Amino acid sequence: ETGVTQTPRHLVMGMTNKKSLKCEQHLGHNAMYWYKQSAKKPLELMFVYSLEERVENNSVPSRFSPECPNSSHLFLHLHTLQPEDSALYLCASRRGTEQFFGPGTRLTVL
Amino acid sequence: DQQVKQNSPSLSVQEGRISILNCDYTNSMFDYFLWYKKYPAEGPTFLISISSIKDKNEDGRFTVFLNKSAKHLSLHIVPSQPGDSAVYFCAALMNYGGSQGNLIFGKGTKLSVKP
Repeated sequence: ETGVTQTPRHLVMGMTNKKSLKCEQHLGHNAMYWYKQSAKKPLELMFVYSLEERVENNSVPSRFSPECPNSSHLFLHLHTLQPEDSALYLCASRRGTEQFFGPGTRLTVL
Repeated sequence: DQQVKQNSPSLSVQEGRISILNCDYTNSMFDYFLWYKKYPAEGPTFLISISSIKDKNEDGRFTVFLNKSAKHLSLHIVPSQPGDSAVYFCAALMNYGGSQGNLIFGKGTKLSVKP
């Protein structure tokens, strides 16, 4: 248990759906991350938020839209995804050099 | 191009023996390295780290070795236990510069420890 929670844990959606992933931490960390883990690929950094401000967008398609309303919450809004977007989406928060990961949301796009 | 490489996708070891997981990196600006462990259906959890000013860091059964000239690090687990069976990710970061604090991960190595 890292103190970073993610909901839902599993999500199946069609290509025309709109859904959101939620990440929450009450560890007092002020940097939060979204990663994508696809099979047989390294963890890919998607977005970085520092003090609620997006500081990095790693060339992620606009069908993924992050939101950080406060330092404890991070959302990833999903819209018109493609089947190749099916993956494990991991949220993390940072303290110093260490990142603490949530359990991930397993997303399947049909 | 991958900056952090774990060239062995899997490793199988007998219980009680040593497990050695390897990691290579290409960016000489990396100055901090971490190993994460991941069980199925869970997020990665931090295991052990090493700063570039050191060549060895030990924590119980886990030791990480860093060879800066070869841009290579390795994780040793001695003795290996069945509960160590998981995917191990090597990660690197730069403490300074534009990507400060962002971890760059390898693809992971799946370790299986057989009883």
